[in-house]
Amino acid sequence: GENVEQHPSTLSVQEGDSAVIKCTYSDSASNYFPWYKQELGKGPQLIIDIRSNVGEKKDQRIAVTLNKTAKHFSLHITETQPEDSAVYFCAPNQAGTALIFGKGTTLSVSS
Amino acid sequence: EAGVAQSPRYKIIEKRQSVAFWCNPISGHATLYWYQQILGQGPKLLIQFQNNGVVDDSQLPKDRFSAERLKGVDSTLKIQPAKLEDSAVYLCASSKGQGNTEAFFGQGTRLTVV
Repeated sequence: GENVEQHPSTLSVQEGDSAVIKCTYSDSASNYFPWYKQELGKGPQLIIDIRSNVGEKKDQRIAVTLNKTAKHFSLHITETQPEDSAVYFCAPNQAGTALIFGKGTTLSVSS
Repeated sequence: EAGVAQSPRYKIIEKRQSVAFWCNPISGHATLYWYQQILGQGPKLLIQFQNNGVVDDSQLPKDRFSAERLKGVDSTLKIQPAKLEDSAVYLCASSKGQGNTEAFFGQGTRLTVV
C-alpha cells in the first residue's frame, strides 16, 4: 500500500513569508496529488491538486509542484496570511482507491 | 450545493457501549468514505463504498465496527462495543468518482469513550 510522509510536521512563519511543505510517497501508480487544508473543528478541504501529466500548478498564492521520478510533491504558499494557519495534508492516490493521508503539517502564521 | 452532513457532532459514551454515526453525502456522489482521525494524526480510511457496495474495508476493525450504505445514499457507521482507543473524530466524505478526484468532507463526529 501507499506510504506517505510529510515534512516538516510543524512550520512557523511570519506573515508575508513563504511556506513550503513536502510530501513523499511510495506507490509509483499514484497519479493524483491533492493538498487538503483542515481548520480546527472542520473536515479537510481541497485547496489544490495536480495530476501526473503536469509538473506544476498555481492558484493565486498557492502552488503545487510534482516530481514523479523522485516520488514527491510540494505545496508552496507565498505571502502567507494569518488565515493560512491550519493543518495541511497531502493525499496521493490513483483511480479506484481512497485518499491516503500523510500525518499533516501544522502551519502557524504570526502577524 | 449542500455539503456532506454528519450527525451527531459530539458523542460521549462509556467503554463497552455502542454508538452509531450517520452521514448524508452530496447528492449524486457515488463514492462514500468513512475516515477515523485520532488527535494529531491524519485521517485513516475505515471503509469506502461505491454506490451501496463495499470497495475497501481492509482497515475496518470488523470485530467491533460495521458500516452500511442504505440504497446507495445515506450511510451509518456503528461501533459495538466501544473501546477507549476509539476516541477520535469520525469523518464522512463523498466524491463523484472513485479516487483521482476531489473528496468533500463533513464536519465530523467527535467521539469520546470514557
